[in-house]
Amino acid sequence: GAVVSQHPSWVICKSGTSVKIECRSLDFQATTMFWYRQFPKQSLMLMATSNEGSKATYEQGVEKDKFLINHASLTLSTLTVTSAHPEDSSFYICSARDFSTGTGDHYGYTFGSGTRLTVV
Amino acid sequence: EDQVTQSPEALRLQEGESSSLNCSYTVSGLRGLFWYRQDPGKGPEFLFTLYSAGEEKEKERLKATLTKKESFLHITAPKPEDSATYLCAVQPLKYSSASKIIFGSGTRLSIRP
Repeated sequence: GAVVSQHPSWVICKSGTSVKIECRSLDFQATTMFWYRQFPKQSLMLMATSNEGSKATYEQGVEKDKFLINHASLTLSTLTVTSAHPEDSSFYICSARDFSTGTGDHYGYTFGSGTRLTVV
Repeated sequence: EDQVTQSPEALRLQEGESSSLNCSYTVSGLRGLFWYRQDPGKGPEFLFTLYSAGEEKEKERLKATLTKKESFLHITAPKPEDSATYLCAVQPLKYSSASKIIFGSGTRLSIRP
């Protein structure tokens, strides 16, 4: 089945610094990837849609200058949290869908294991 | 507005006690409905995709069904390892199959030994 790898799994950074999170599709190509944010005991909130070779599409209320997304290849999307502050502390998750073998519909969207960001 | 509502918010069952989780949706045309399982501190794990009313899918102790307004996730004789948060998501017809999906708030299921 499709595998999405996310790195790092956790990171602690100082307030004011930037943090980069990577999302890789390991065994398929993904022209589109999605970035979510999840607060404790809450559901996933879509932040942005990452498009290979073009600008990301951000959901309403998400600051595009704070959450920079780069999708430079068909297997890698990155999310950079710039000038992080404690309120940016959260669980960030990426996802993608594999259509390459025609079985993508049966597998839905595959999610990474998530990145726990703590800003101190 | 497209909306997904899951109930109950939390459910505690005794091992072996079967039950159902509900996912009600309001969309202008449904392209697909997804069920996921999420363990604490991990990303969601795909369970099922349903496309049309009347469709059913099964996996071990889980069975998902779909009507025109809601989906049910039936859990038969659950075990403690079935404890997790179960998430429902829909993809409206207005979006392509490669586009975003809309999540419900989830049901936290706890199975006591």
